[in-house]
Amino acid sequence: AQTVTQSQPEMSVQEAETVTLSCTYDTSENNYYLFWYKQPPSRQMILVIRQEAYKQQNATENRFSVNFQKAAKSFSLKISDSQLGDTAMYFCAFMKLPTNAGKSTFGDGTTLTVKP
Amino acid sequence: SQTIHQWPATLVQPVGSPLSLECTVEGTSNPNLYWYRQAAGRGLQLLFYSVGIGQISSEVPQNLSASRPQDRQFILSSKKLLLSDSGFYLCAWKKGPGSPNEKLFFGSGTQLSVL
Repeated sequence: AQTVTQSQPEMSVQEAETVTLSCTYDTSENNYYLFWYKQPPSRQMILVIRQEAYKQQNATENRFSVNFQKAAKSFSLKISDSQLGDTAMYFCAFMKLPTNAGKSTFGDGTTLTVKP
Repeated sequence: SQTIHQWPATLVQPVGSPLSLECTVEGTSNPNLYWYRQAAGRGLQLLFYSVGIGQISSEVPQNLSASRPQDRQFILSSKKLLLSDSGFYLCAWKKGPGSPNEKLFFGSGTQLSVL
């Protein structure tokens, strides 16, 4: 079974600054996806960014980027130029391949507060 | 475009009463469907998933059951609610295996309070 650990229950950052959220995972699988999902106060979960384990290049989506270290089983999320709308709970998640069942394992989340 | 509908948004039920939460997906066919529960301030725990009509897999032993009577309909039920069933329930779907851009799409959730 896979486990996902987010060691930072809460973090804060000043608006316009950069913050990094940590995630580690444990798996014996070689092929999988990793995700960061965002849950704002509205509680609507949305995908922030996805990384395929077979890709060495780190994924980026505008102000969001990841640092994927497969050997270390580490998957951190960097948010640049933080905005007030980034305030949310962020979840790291794992999905093994093939995705017939597509079950995802989630960490306990990191609550990020962006301060003006 | 695809959409997912989940209702009700909030529900307060007495202990021992039945439960039925419904989730429907539009704009796609043969999706994988999921029920997750989120305890306060915690991550998501997978309760059930379904890869097709009538096919239900349970991830954790519990007081709840799930059914998929139609391709895009997923129902979470209980005959008698327990206090421990309180929580935030999320329905989610994803495209079938092998689809590009793998990810989960979530409903807006149901906050269930059992009193």
